[in-house]
Amino acid sequence: DAGVIQSPRHEVTEMGQEVTLRCKPISGHDYLFWYRQTMMRGLELLIYFNNNVPIDDSGMPEDRFSAKMPNASFSTLKIQPSEPRDSAVYFCASSPGTTNSNQPQHFGDGTRLSIL
Amino acid sequence: DQQVKQNSPSLSVQEGRISILNCDYTNSMFDYFLWYKKYPAEGPTFLISISSIKDKNEDGRFTVFLNKSAKHLSLHIVPSQPGDSAVYFCAASLYSGGYQKVTFGTGTKLQVIP
Repeated sequence: DAGVIQSPRHEVTEMGQEVTLRCKPISGHDYLFWYRQTMMRGLELLIYFNNNVPIDDSGMPEDRFSAKMPNASFSTLKIQPSEPRDSAVYFCASSPGTTNSNQPQHFGDGTRLSIL
Repeated sequence: DQQVKQNSPSLSVQEGRISILNCDYTNSMFDYFLWYKKYPAEGPTFLISISSIKDKNEDGRFTVFLNKSAKHLSLHIVPSQPGDSAVYFCAASLYSGGYQKVTFGTGTKLQVIP
């Protein structure tokens, strides 16, 4: 049973470049989340989708960040232009429904992003 | 403003002893609490949860305690094993916008010494 799949696992690029992170959620899961992990702030929710529709993007730090979910099996998080302070680990997670004891979020292994 | 706080960034415990990981929260509207475990280079995985109407939930070696009046929860691992060495994230959720929105803490790195 495949879990949440993220690509790439590592990304190193120079500031100013466009960065695209990809996620394939678990089949049948209605919710998809994008998180950013930093030492200072832990896991921050950036945006989440329900049935491919963005529901809450209040965590997106600024207009340089955008996320799309064109279909139920694919989502992207884009940063344009990228800055060194965007360096972090970005996680994608999916869930079959409302979070409760039987339906936790399932996380991918993350993309470690380094902006030079 | 960090609504979920894990004030201990790291913890070392001897194998076989009890590990106690603590978490404080500020929003009294949180109605569900979760612990996730994360190994290096992997994503977090769900470990155990507790509803705000309970004060204790146990699953094998893992027990979560909730003290609503103090806005505090803790995760007890007994006995601790080297394989428990990982980062543990506390999370709290509340119903918002049609979904249980989850807020995570900054994590506590547990090292279990053989």
